[in-house]
Amino acid sequence: GESVGLHLPTLSVQEGDNSIINCAYSNSASDYFIWYKQESGKGPQFIIDIRSNMDKRQGQRVTVLLNKTVKHLSLQIAATQPGDSAVYFCAENGGYNKLIFGAGTRLAVHP
Amino acid sequence: GAVVSQHPSRVICKSGTSVKIECRSLDFQATTMFWYRQFPKKSLMLMATSNEGSKATYEQGVEKDKFLINHASLTLSTLTVTSAHPEDSSFYICSAWKGGGYTFGSGTRLTVV
Repeated sequence: GESVGLHLPTLSVQEGDNSIINCAYSNSASDYFIWYKQESGKGPQFIIDIRSNMDKRQGQRVTVLLNKTVKHLSLQIAATQPGDSAVYFCAENGGYNKLIFGAGTRLAVHP
Repeated sequence: GAVVSQHPSRVICKSGTSVKIECRSLDFQATTMFWYRQFPKKSLMLMATSNEGSKATYEQGVEKDKFLINHASLTLSTLTVTSAHPEDSSFYICSAWKGGGYTFGSGTRLTVV
């Protein structure tokens, strides 16, 4: 299930299930979006990106969907594995190549 | 691939002292680097944009005299936290822009005691 509170929202899934992480972005003029994975004490790790002229892009086990009408981005992870447990951030290019990060979602994968 | 090296990974300093964090692009030239700050269980907050050969551009609310940024070469940007206080304790992360993508450093955990 998904919970929102004072801490990062957490999505808990069973190993092998598909995960969907959502993100709302703020700037309708943003033309480039990236999903990052961050493990504790480390820098963000690139997962997948998408430009505003696309609404879907697929990678290995991951898919990003972009809905510009409602300024919404989602990351789908197929067959989630324990190694996928981390915090996931969406980021938008807010102009001048500045990358602005969303609030983040913690993904907890249970065996 | 593009690699960014950030040092130190961890630093503890006393209140009132200054700390310098380095961000190096190892195998590419980066005319633009970015500095972020991250509090526990929070997102990355953009502090400033570091431009080679010119003054950094700071985000609203970030004290430029507190967080000194120098981008003296195409491969090195430094962030100096001056007169550090316990509330400056945080995780600092740099990123380098190379046409087409961003590469992040591994972060620096600063603890001010």
